[in-house]
Amino acid sequence: DTGVSQDPRHKITKRGQNVTFRCDPISEHNRLYWYRQTLGQGPEFLTYFQNEAQLEKSRLLSDRFSAERPKGSFSTLEIQRTEQGDSAMYLCASSPPGHPYEQYFGPGTRLTVT
Amino acid sequence: KQEVTQIPAALSVPEGENLVLNCSFTDSAIYNLQWFRQDPGKGLTSLLLIQSSQREQTSGRLNASLDKSSGRSTLYIAASQPGDSATYLCAVWDGNKLVFGAGTILRVKS
Repeated sequence: DTGVSQDPRHKITKRGQNVTFRCDPISEHNRLYWYRQTLGQGPEFLTYFQNEAQLEKSRLLSDRFSAERPKGSFSTLEIQRTEQGDSAMYLCASSPPGHPYEQYFGPGTRLTVT
Repeated sequence: KQEVTQIPAALSVPEGENLVLNCSFTDSAIYNLQWFRQDPGKGLTSLLLIQSSQREQTSGRLNASLDKSSGRSTLYIAASQPGDSATYLCAVWDGNKLVFGAGTILRVKS
């Protein structure tokens, strides 16, 4: 079991550019979550999927953010027209069927918007 | 809206000391409460999960308690070691999502 993986690990982009992050959950995990963590704060929930269905989105997820999980496996998080306030660590987590409270976190993607 | 607060924000102790990290939450109608550890540049590792019907959980040198009526949880670490140095995050389950505190940065000096 390779754990939750995220790609890229680091991304530096200029304000106004679009970025896309990928998360590969642990095999057979049906729930997948995205969180955002800024410096000195705990992670904040963004959205979660059960299989391919996006079941909940935070108000933090503005119109510039979109997440997909097309086949219920990997997920992508896209940010359009990035702003400096988007600079943060983006964390992905997954949990197995029947055990929604067992969340396994990936190493995160650190985004820096210049 | 559920809010989670952790005290202290940072803690530095000599090796071997026992210590307590505190967590409080505003809405006692929680499902479960979890304690995580985060190492620099890495994701989170779950340490203990306390179900809403439980009052405490233990794993090795770690013991976590939960008092829903007062909206508090504590994480007790016995005989601290330098390898325990990390950020400790408390989180409550609010429906299908975790609500985190800002964390306590722990440094154990050898």
